[in-house]
Amino acid sequence: QQPVQSPQAVILREGEDAVINCSSSKALYSVHWYRQKHGEAPVFLMILLKGGEQKGHEKISASFNEKKQQSSLYLTASQLSYSGTYFCGTERKAAGNKLTFGGGTRVLVKP
Amino acid sequence: DGGITQSPKYLFRKEGQNVTLSCEQNLNHDAMYWYRQDPGQGLRLIYYSQIVNDFQKGDIAEGYSVSREKKESFPLTVTSAQKNPTAFYLCASSSWTEERGYGYTFGSGTRLTVV
Repeated sequence: QQPVQSPQAVILREGEDAVINCSSSKALYSVHWYRQKHGEAPVFLMILLKGGEQKGHEKISASFNEKKQQSSLYLTASQLSYSGTYFCGTERKAAGNKLTFGGGTRVLVKP
Repeated sequence: DGGITQSPKYLFRKEGQNVTLSCEQNLNHDAMYWYRQDPGQGLRLIYYSQIVNDFQKGDIAEGYSVSREKKESFPLTVTSAQKNPTAFYLCASSSWTEERGYGYTFGSGTRLTVV
């Protein structure tokens, strides 16, 4: 079952903050975050593992609430380069590392 | 540099034809995946393979077929049974690393259009 992302879209001014949420109805082993620029392939940002371990991007942070099966991605002091569509990918326990992706959140950062 | 190469970048297919999309990786990754992306939507899993000579169906496997005869190659065939094949197809691979866990590396995609 596909995780639900919110909001669907957000417009920011450079330097502003935003939060993107990802919720699943299933127990999760890990949550991945990717960013896709228009017409390009998604790029890995980070992975959050059960138990609190986080691996990946230095300037963008995220959290993973295992009890609620939710993850949040924090865009802090946004830059123009943060524009794109953000996808969360969820890995269920014992699901063989395959990811189920949310519908995406479109982010536009304006000067 | 290591990466994933998908070809062709654009592909046009006549109705009733089978077409094969290529995906090659030189990252020495064990697992490979095919996803389909429709405009304005997320990615849906078609097939995945965790080791050579083995693969499993994803959520939307009907009308597609794959093979995994070599570790570095995972071609996808879109058959005439796929009723609505026009989409952006993404190939990905992964293996565990200390830096990225099982984070995926994606290819640049193939845009398939039925004419």
